[in-house]
Amino acid sequence: GAGVSQSPSNKVTEKGKDVELRCDPISGHTALYWYRQSLGQGLEFLIYFQGNSAPDKSGLPSDRFSAERTGGSVSTLTIQRTQQEDSAVYLCASSLGSGKDYEQYFGPGTRLTVT
Amino acid sequence: LAKTTQPISMDSYEGQEVNITCSHNNIATNDYITWYQQFPSQGPRFIIQGYKTKVTNEVASLFIPADRKSSTLSLPRVSLSDTAVYYCLDLNFNKFYFGSGTKLNVKP
Repeated sequence: GAGVSQSPSNKVTEKGKDVELRCDPISGHTALYWYRQSLGQGLEFLIYFQGNSAPDKSGLPSDRFSAERTGGSVSTLTIQRTQQEDSAVYLCASSLGSGKDYEQYFGPGTRLTVT
Repeated sequence: LAKTTQPISMDSYEGQEVNITCSHNNIATNDYITWYQQFPSQGPRFIIQGYKTKVTNEVASLFIPADRKSSTLSLPRVSLSDTAVYYCLDLNFNKFYFGSGTKLNVKP
């Protein structure tokens, strides 16, 4: 079956521009997660959704970051006024339920480069 | 704040058994312990999960002591294709922490 898909796969943007990253989870998965991974670093948790709700948004790095999920499916991560430190791979994952007990299935990621 | 600690890197040779340990300082009573593997330019993928004692699947074993303050991922007879970064996962107050990961380098 289809896995988690993300678009675009690569995005190069100028500092100060807004970008929108998209994640399509596996059909039927109620939980969706966003992570950020800088070059050679571990995964930084950003936010997760159970259905369309995010229980805690405090993992988002700054108020320039926002995320939403509609229809219990597609999610978008928006970064406003991008900065060079936002350059990273943004990974999306989904799982059947929320919580650590559920296996997270990851997408291929979106590589964001801010010039 | 959830905090898992694991070695930054490990070296091994093909055919050896590799054990990677993670400490779970703030693990909750009902939390499972989960490990993921990540190859370069790919998202992490699930390896194994357990709650206590020992769990074994086709790729690894997971040992969890009675106090559950640590876990050990055991990879039997590693091959070059096992070269990857291995993460233990922790959850605290709706935040998922993958930690810094252990980079395993398998040599021929």
